[in-house]
Amino acid sequence: SAVISQKPSRDICQRGTSLTIQCQVDSQVTMMFWYRQQPGQSLTLIATANQGSEATYESGFVIDKFPISRPNLTFSTLTVSNMSPEDSSIYLCSVEEQGKETQYFGPGTRLLVL
Amino acid sequence: GEDVEQSLFLSVREGDSSVINCTYTDSSSTYLYWYKQEPGAGLQLLTYIFSNMDMKQDQRLTVLLNKKDKHLSLRIADTQTGDSAIYFCAEPSGGSNYKLTFGKGTLLTVNP
Repeated sequence: SAVISQKPSRDICQRGTSLTIQCQVDSQVTMMFWYRQQPGQSLTLIATANQGSEATYESGFVIDKFPISRPNLTFSTLTVSNMSPEDSSIYLCSVEEQGKETQYFGPGTRLLVL
Repeated sequence: GEDVEQSLFLSVREGDSSVINCTYTDSSSTYLYWYKQEPGAGLQLLTYIFSNMDMKQDQRLTVLLNKKDKHLSLRIADTQTGDSAIYFCAEPSGGSNYKLTFGKGTLLTVNP
């Protein structure tokens, strides 16, 4: 399975600032996704990161708040913009290798907004 | 809409079997998944089952699927303290093979 790394692993940020999270995969993958896991909650899909085009956002998530880049088949970034304490969550990227029908997750980025 | 339900807590003694249950709603799901999240860690894909199967066994793990009742279970034999984690059931949803809907997770506590 693909090996996925995320940076930073954790951060504490002040409200009103922005944080960019990086996701790196050790092989080329077709599909990359970003999820949010709020404290004590399950995972919610934020968006699908599309290579070479704009990300596809799920209901309740918008590009202005969560801009996403996907410059190539092994890398993506998620920015959490103008943060508030409600954005405190774990943010995880995941990938699905073509034809594999399974998603693998990165270790997550633990974000605390004060 | 799609919804995945799990019981929130399960406590077992070391060496016993654990059974974690899940119900799902999307009857068109092709695969169903179990993920494990250890404290402070990301999600690890534990196992998955294709929807035309009733059972899948992988070492200490047994997945049972009752498609008629839309019920999925994960049995862990000889549960160890290292199995203490949150276990998530997930299914593809929204007519997509890759958009996963997760349950809220079952916190498994293994007591020595």
